[in-house]
Amino acid sequence: EDQVTQSPEALRLQEGESSSLNCSYTVSGLRGLFWYRQDPGKGPEFLFTLYSAGEEKEKERLKATLTKKESFLHITAPKPEDSATYLCAVQDNSGYALNFGKGTSLLVTP
Amino acid sequence: DAGVTQSPTHLIKTRGQHVTLRCSPISGHKSVSWYQQVLGQGPQFIFQYYEKEERGRGNFPDRFSARQFPNYSSELNVNALLLGDSALYLCASGDYGYTFGSGTRLTVV
Repeated sequence: EDQVTQSPEALRLQEGESSSLNCSYTVSGLRGLFWYRQDPGKGPEFLFTLYSAGEEKEKERLKATLTKKESFLHITAPKPEDSATYLCAVQDNSGYALNFGKGTSLLVTP
Repeated sequence: DAGVTQSPTHLIKTRGQHVTLRCSPISGHKSVSWYQQVLGQGPQFIFQYYEKEERGRGNFPDRFSARQFPNYSSELNVNALLLGDSALYLCASGDYGYTFGSGTRLTVV
């Protein structure tokens, strides 16, 4: 059974203080690893899909990386508007469901 | 282009009642998935429909059912509501890189 564990559960950063969020996973054949951002009361907003170990993707202050066991979401010089819950999900070769972790709640203070 | 639209945005139901939630996917998307998100947890997969056929089902009781219409919109039905069914119900559109709607917040009292 696919398992996704995100750490830390919550993270508080000062504006400009870079950090990383972790997503550890076990899956029987990885089809894709997804990162989403979710604001309170809203649906998840797609950020990245990673397909194979060694792959990296960037978007503004965010950079996602992937190994065979985990993924990192690096946040460089965060701003208060980056405050949200960041969700990691894996999709296995059966093809349909996304299996989500519990998320990391990020708060960036001015 | 309109994104994924869900209705209603909020509703309150009493235990034992039935509820129907609706979703319209992004134009051109033939696949719709439903997820349940309980407060403080990640979304949990309920169903996926593609071309009106059920393609996958998560670990949810038979009280949960869904269908997809010829225009690819979808309904999620939940019978005999329990307090534990209170959650944000999310619809996702697309066959792989899923786009989520804003969800329906269901409160069962």
